[in-house]
Amino acid sequence: GEDVEQSLFLSVREGDSSVINCTYTDSSSTYLYWYKQEPGAGLQLLTYIFSNMDMKQDQRLTVLLNKKDKHLSLRIADTQTGDSAIYFCAEGSYNTDKLIFGTGTRLQVFP
Amino acid sequence: EAGVTQFPSHSVIEKGQTVTLRCDPISGHDNLYWYRRVMGKEIKFLLHFVKESKQDESGMPNNRFLAERTGGTYSTLKVQPAELEDSGVYFCASSQDWAQDFFYEQYFGPGTRLTVT
Repeated sequence: GEDVEQSLFLSVREGDSSVINCTYTDSSSTYLYWYKQEPGAGLQLLTYIFSNMDMKQDQRLTVLLNKKDKHLSLRIADTQTGDSAIYFCAEGSYNTDKLIFGTGTRLQVFP
Repeated sequence: EAGVTQFPSHSVIEKGQTVTLRCDPISGHDNLYWYRRVMGKEIKFLLHFVKESKQDESGMPNNRFLAERTGGTYSTLKVQPAELEDSGVYFCASSQDWAQDFFYEQYFGPGTRLTVT
């Protein structure tokens, strides 16, 4: 079945790098996504990666995909207090519009 | 451009009562989705509309939930009668009806927090 797993919490010091990990089970996934949810706000698409890519970099964000192990990670360089939020990993495939989400990882950044 | 809006932002009802949630998608978006996050768990897909038609309702938990999208614009999700386990945050999302390279970005609303007591 389809399943996406993430650790629930991550705490980092401001200025350090954060790495949020995710594993998924559906080998037919076409895209893998990272969404961010700030308090009181909706889900904001941060970045995504196509399943035939290994890495994608976008400013402070680096996404790594290990398709063999079905492992996805999001690295945030120079983490700031404004990065404190819940980060959701999600997978989607071209034959269905629905997204399969993980439980979300709550990132707390302390000074 | 206005984003996806949802109403109400928070609803507290008693078990057995009825609640109707509303979602207004981004103008021109034919695709509309409902998702739900039960406390601390994953966000789960409920259903997908293309215009006024239900494309996929495989995630609807039971027949106490009724979703409609008359006219293909806004959508409502009614829960009747509400049970304690229906508590959670209900998200709505919308997307365009075409995509490059099959990449559909779903734009999410802020969610409606439903508390059933």
